[in-house]
Amino acid sequence: GNSVTQMEGPVTLSEEAFLTINCTYTATGYPSLFWYVQYPGEGLQLLLKATKADDKGSNKGFEATYRKETTSFHLEKGSVQVSDSAVYFCALRGDSWGKLQFGAGTQVVVTP
Amino acid sequence: GAGVSQSPSNKVTEKGKDVELRCDPISGHTALYWYRQSLGQGLEFLIYFQGNSAPDKSGLPSDRFSAERTGGSVSTLTIQRTQQEDSAVYLCASLGQDNQPQHFGDGTRLSIL
Repeated sequence: GNSVTQMEGPVTLSEEAFLTINCTYTATGYPSLFWYVQYPGEGLQLLLKATKADDKGSNKGFEATYRKETTSFHLEKGSVQVSDSAVYFCALRGDSWGKLQFGAGTQVVVTP
Repeated sequence: GAGVSQSPSNKVTEKGKDVELRCDPISGHTALYWYRQSLGQGLEFLIYFQGNSAPDKSGLPSDRFSAERTGGSVSTLTIQRTQQEDSAVYLCASLGQDNQPQHFGDGTRLSIL
């Protein structure tokens, strides 16, 4: 079956540092890939998405590229802010109406 | 409203009681999903509705869990004879068009004493 593996947290960074959160997946066919973010006390929000190989999703300074050859969708941001402190979830959807399969989530803590 | 609405936002109940959780999807969204977020298990899929039908209910953990959707809109997730391991945040999401992302509500935090 489909699965998503993402790096464990917490990840603690200083403001303006470079952030990478690794995400790899196992799936048949051509899944869509997502990053969702959950800020403290809030619900899940879509951060970015990619629906086919080599697509790059980007939003709020975050980027992730759908790499089919390495089955990866790593999240990166060049200069984090304290406001980026949150839990980040990598997710996969096997077909267009299907359920989301989530990774375990990575907590990111950015200190001033 | 503009987003997915869930109620109640918090629910505390005694072990053995039944609970009902409600989800009001974005207007016009035909697909509706329930997920559960718990400390030990992360984010797990429970059930998916397309209209009033549930083509995928593979994630319901036991027969104490059931869900229905009426009028292609509001959905209710019912947990009978609650157990402490049912304590979690229950999230609802809706989707209006294929290949678009799911939109999530803020969830219901369920605590079983």
